[in-house]
Parts: sequence; structure tokens; C-alpha cells
Amino acid sequence: QVVLTQSPSASASLGTSVKLTCTLSSDHSTYAIAWHQQQPGRGPRYLMRLNSDGSRVKGDGIPDRFSGSSSGAERYLTISSLQSEDEADYYCQTWGTGIQVFGGGTKVTVL
Amino acid sequence: EVQLVESGGGLVKPGGSLRLSCAASGFSFSLYAMNWVRQAPGKGLEWVSSIRVSDDHIYYADSVKGRFTISRDNAKNSLYLHMDSLRAEDTAVYYCAREAIVDQIDYWGQGTLVTVSS
Repeated sequence: QVVLTQSPSASASLGTSVKLTCTLSSDHSTYAIAWHQQQPGRGPRYLMRLNSDGSRVKGDGIPDRFSGSSSGAERYLTISSLQSEDEADYYCQTWGTGIQVFGGGTKVTVL
Repeated sequence: EVQLVESGGGLVKPGGSLRLSCAASGFSFSLYAMNWVRQAPGKGLEWVSSIRVSDDHIYYADSVKGRFTISRDNAKNSLYLHMDSLRAEDTAVYYCAREAIVDQIDYWGQGTLVTVSS
């Protein structure tokens, strides 16, 4: 079964950029993933789908500050021009036949 | 506008039962697979169950198999999760989530809290 690995935490200063990584388990390096944001006390929000070739499909109203890229088994989410409201947990997600798999999440702190 | 609104959460004793509902609007509900995802306090997201467009393809996480039952009523634009033999470890916020036509989850509800405690 596919496993997604995320670093538990990341931090960056207001107005700068942060790059989050989601690593797919071996034998699953071509899988697409999705990124979701969960602000404190709120439900998750879909940010984008990210394919292995780097192409992406963003959710409704997601700012251009959020971008994604891929390299091998790694999928990245870059948040540019960090704002205070970007302080949140970020989860990557992939899927198989009928099932969904989530990474452990990365908590982003805006300094 | 796509909306998913969960209801039915609450406090229940270990071994008890509860039924969650999710009211969908703003899209053609019958055309989309749907999921339940939960989040224990202070923990990450855990997929619970999914149901395809028709009822004949249903999937469960091992942690709830045999205890939880997912269903849908396309005429009422509603998704359900019937939970039996509840345990303390089932305590979580339960989210209803829509799957995009090409597989990722693309919309979430706001969640409903289930607390299993004596």
C-alpha cells in the first residue's frame, strides 16, 4: 500500500517562501497527489492536485501564491509571500481503488 | 457553490451507535463518489470509508470494517455513516468529502464531532 511521508513542521518569516515536501513510497513514485490546507479550528480545504509531470489542478479561489511541483517520488507545495493566514497544517493525499491515503501533515508556522 | 454539511455527531457511550448525515448541495450529487474522513483530537486525517456513484462499490478502513456502514440517498442528495460498537478510539471530528471525477478529494464539509466516552 502507498505511504506518504511529510516532515512534521516547517517555518518561515512573513513575506518569504516555504517549500513543503511529500514523499511517495517506493513503487508508487508516479502517483498523483493532492494538497489540502487546514487552518486552526477549521475543516480542510483542497488546494490542488499535483501530477508526476508537475501539472496541477487548483481548487476554486486558491491564490497564485500556492504552487506545486514534482521530482521523482517527491511532490512539493511552495507557498510564496507568506501571510499570517497561511499558518496551518498541510496534508498530502493520494488514492487507490476506492481508498484514500493521507500523509501525516506538516504544521507551518509563520514567524 | 458546493456545500457539504454534516450533522448527527454527539456524545455516545462505548458500545453505542450513532448515525452521521451529510447534506450535499451545489453539484450533481449522484455523479460523485463520496468519502468519510475523520480526525482524532490533535491528530492527522484518517480515511474511514468511501462509496462509489452507485451503492455496489463500498470500501472501509480496517479500523472500522464490520462496525461502520456507509450509504447514500441520491434522491435526497445525502450521505450517511452508521456507526455501531463505538470505541473510545473512534472519538474524532468526522468530515464528509467529495471525490473529484478524477479521484482526489476536492471539497470538504466543516465536520461533526463524535465523542465516545462513558
